[in-house]
Amino acid sequence: GAVVSQHPSWVICKSGTSVKIECRSLDFQATTMFWYRQFPKQSLMLMATSNEGSKATYEQGVEKDKFLINHASLTLSTLTVTSAHPEDSSFYICSAQRTAGPYEQYFGPGTRLTVT
Amino acid sequence: GQNIDQPTEMTATEGAIVQINCTYQTSGFNGLFWYQQHAGEAPTFLSYNVLDGLEEKGRFSSFLSRSKGYSYLLLKELQMKDSASYLCAVVYNFNKFYFGSGTKLNVKP
Repeated sequence: GAVVSQHPSWVICKSGTSVKIECRSLDFQATTMFWYRQFPKQSLMLMATSNEGSKATYEQGVEKDKFLINHASLTLSTLTVTSAHPEDSSFYICSAQRTAGPYEQYFGPGTRLTVT
Repeated sequence: GQNIDQPTEMTATEGAIVQINCTYQTSGFNGLFWYQQHAGEAPTFLSYNVLDGLEEKGRFSSFLSRSKGYSYLLLKELQMKDSASYLCAVVYNFNKFYFGSGTKLNVKP
């Protein structure tokens, strides 16, 4: 149990376009989902915390108008990178928690975004 | 964030024991996780500590000292497949996970 999927696994897009990444908890309901970004040879950086039915909480330095997060249901959260630029190229990983609190996060397989 | 520090890289020999340390800011602490991450893949859960002491899970053990803001991951009987990055993640204010920069472990034959 506790499987999290992401779609797409990888995407290449042109500068200026928008890209949507989906994160789904397949066999459990996730009260909270998290979005991370990871640059090569660096650790995961938390971008935002997403709770179902409410606005996401963004970390300092993350532009909420550029990285749109929607958590429409207890099994789905989406991250839309708007007007993507080459510097947005990164590995985006989502994770999901079954319940609130300091509990284990289950990670999706990640989405490799390349902006040309 | 939260001053989570880990060594950048370590090298050990197959069959040996290696200890990866992690220090963190103690204010707001609610728990600590260790994850393993192979290149290009998502992290996978290894262990969770919320109370002081040692948690053992097969070849892997994790230790926590809350007063010192210190944890370590101990890997025994190292195998080549253990070559990966090991991430220390600290939970603050009940649901915010902050990751250390990760320790790249190289296991040599």
